[in-house]
Amino acid sequence: DAGITQSPRHKVTETGTPVTLRCHQTENHRYMYWYRQDPGHGLRLIHYSYGVKDTDKGEVSDGYSVSRSKTEDFLLTLESATSSQTSVYFCAIRGQGVQETQYFGPGTRLLVL
Amino acid sequence: AQSVTQLGSHVSVSEGALVLLRCNYSSSVPPYLFWYVQYPNQGLQLLLKYTSAATLVKGINGFEAEFKKSETSFHLTKPSAHMSDAAEYFCAVSDGDGNKLVFGAGTILRVKS
Repeated sequence: DAGITQSPRHKVTETGTPVTLRCHQTENHRYMYWYRQDPGHGLRLIHYSYGVKDTDKGEVSDGYSVSRSKTEDFLLTLESATSSQTSVYFCAIRGQGVQETQYFGPGTRLLVL
Repeated sequence: AQSVTQLGSHVSVSEGALVLLRCNYSSSVPPYLFWYVQYPNQGLQLLLKYTSAATLVKGINGFEAEFKKSETSFHLTKPSAHMSDAAEYFCAVSDGDGNKLVFGAGTILRVKS
């Protein structure tokens, strides 16, 4: 298994509060990704990083921000959580080559009340 | 822009029967194509990937998929279903430089005894 951990694994929070999810890798991979999974939508890309301090938006980035100050850590922040952000969040990592596979973490289940 | 369509949100087969999960893609560039499997409350695991080396791709757990450019398809098959194959399956296509994946909505496979 790829060395990816996510924390917390489960979180319940209230509307309007900030939330930060952490993704940690031990593979020294350049690329890291945050997705959300919702029924009927598959996985949708929120943000991704192609290096330390280098990030870009994905398909559903509104309401989310990210930071990557170290190769191994990629943080996803919900500045002011809303009920529409209730979802399962997955982190993924990928190596340098064009044909490299994305490997996924175990996920974080977030409930916004 | 790339997109993926998975026909059938739910597929039910009997144990020992053929498994066929359909995936059609659109891409303006030669694609890289992936099938992932997700067991309940887990992250996504790579089943197989197409990277233009061979049109018939063999993966783990007896699954295989055939890339058909003329049909823009990448259907997943397994000759004989096993109870342990019950899971959700996702087809995905990457952009030209491999940075991002676009996922289909997923197909839940049920295996009946």
